[in-house]
Order: sequence, then C-alpha cells, then structure tokens
Amino acid sequence: GNSVTQMEGPVTLSEEAFLTINCTYTATGYPSLFWYVQYPGEGLQLLLKATKADDKGSNKGFEATYRKETTSFHLEKGSVQVSDSAVYFCALLEWETSGSRLTFGEGTQLTVNP
Amino acid sequence: EAQVTQNPRYLITVTGKKLTVTCSQNMNHEYMSWYRQDPGLGLRQIYYSMNVEVTDKGDVPEGYKVSRKEKRNFPLILESPSPNQTSLYFCASSSHSNTGKWGYTFGSGTRLTVV
Repeated sequence: GNSVTQMEGPVTLSEEAFLTINCTYTATGYPSLFWYVQYPGEGLQLLLKATKADDKGSNKGFEATYRKETTSFHLEKGSVQVSDSAVYFCALLEWETSGSRLTFGEGTQLTVNP
Repeated sequence: EAQVTQNPRYLITVTGKKLTVTCSQNMNHEYMSWYRQDPGLGLRQIYYSMNVEVTDKGDVPEGYKVSRKEKRNFPLILESPSPNQTSLYFCASSSHSNTGKWGYTFGSGTRLTVV
C-alpha cells in the first residue's frame, strides 16, 4: 500500500533560519503530492501541491519539488518566521476506481523562536 | 464562504453512549471523508464517500459508522464509544479530479474524549 514518511520532529529553529522537512513516499502509481499545515487549534490547510514529476509547488515562501527518482517531496523555506510555527504534514493522493485516497505522514512539529 | 463545518468542536462522553459528529460542506463536493489524528500516527482515514449513498471503509473503520443521505452531509457515528476512540477527528471534502478543480478542504476538527 501507499505510505508517507516524514523526518522525525520536533524541529526548533531561530527566526530567519533555513528550513528543510524531509518527506519520502511509497506508491504503486503516480500520486499527487501535498504539504498541509496545521496551526494550533485549527484544521489542516493546503500549503502547496505538485501533481507530476519535476513539478515544483510553492506558496508563502515554502517550496517543494516532486522527485520521482528519489520518491521525495522535501519542504523548504529560505527564512522562517515565528508565524510559521505549526505542524506540517506531507501527503500523497492516488485516484482509484473506488475513489481517491489521501495518505498522510506522521507530521512534523516546527517551532520558530524569535 | 466555501467551508466544511464540523460539530461539535469539543465533546467529552462516557463509554458506550452513542454519539454523532456532524459534517457539512457547501461546495457541492462529491467526495467526503473522515480522518482521525493521533500523536505519532498522523491522520488515518476512517471512512469515505464518493457520492450520495456510496460509502466505503478507510484504514481504521472499526467502531465507526457513516451515512451519506444527502450530498452536503456526512455524519460520523460512534454506536458504542470506547476510550481508544479518544482522538481529534477531521472531516474533509473534495471534488473529483476529472473536473480539474480538485483539492481537499478540511473542517476545523472535533476533539473527542471518551472516559
């Protein structure tokens, strides 16, 4: 079956530091890949997505590139802010005959200190 | 405003007392799904529905039921809750990929505690 593996957290950074959160996946077909963000006490919000190999998703300074050869979709940001503190989830989506299946990683807690 | 609405946001109940968590979306989405979120496990799919009267089990369906009598509503039913169902629950909806406008929208979550 499909699976998503994220780097273990929590991750603590100082403001303006460079961020990388690793994500690798296992899938039988050609999934679409996502990063979701969950701020404290809130639901999940789509941060960015990529639907095919070599696509780069970007939003709010975050980027991730769909790497089929390494089955990865690492999240990066050049300069984090305190407001980026949240839990980040990597996910993949495959469409099956019975519908779509969104599979999540375990989540990575990011804390950014001033 | 396009949204997925879950109720209640917080619920404490006792073992064995039936409860229902409601989910409603106003985007005319065909696809709806329930997830539970537990520390260290991420989000796991409980049930999903492709359209009215079409539902199927996800990865962790035991102890849960769902129904899809109307397109906009997808309630999650716990007939006899147990403490291991204490969790944070999310409802999500999406349009089909063949519309070219797919994407998941999540509700704000329901934190359930079963004592």
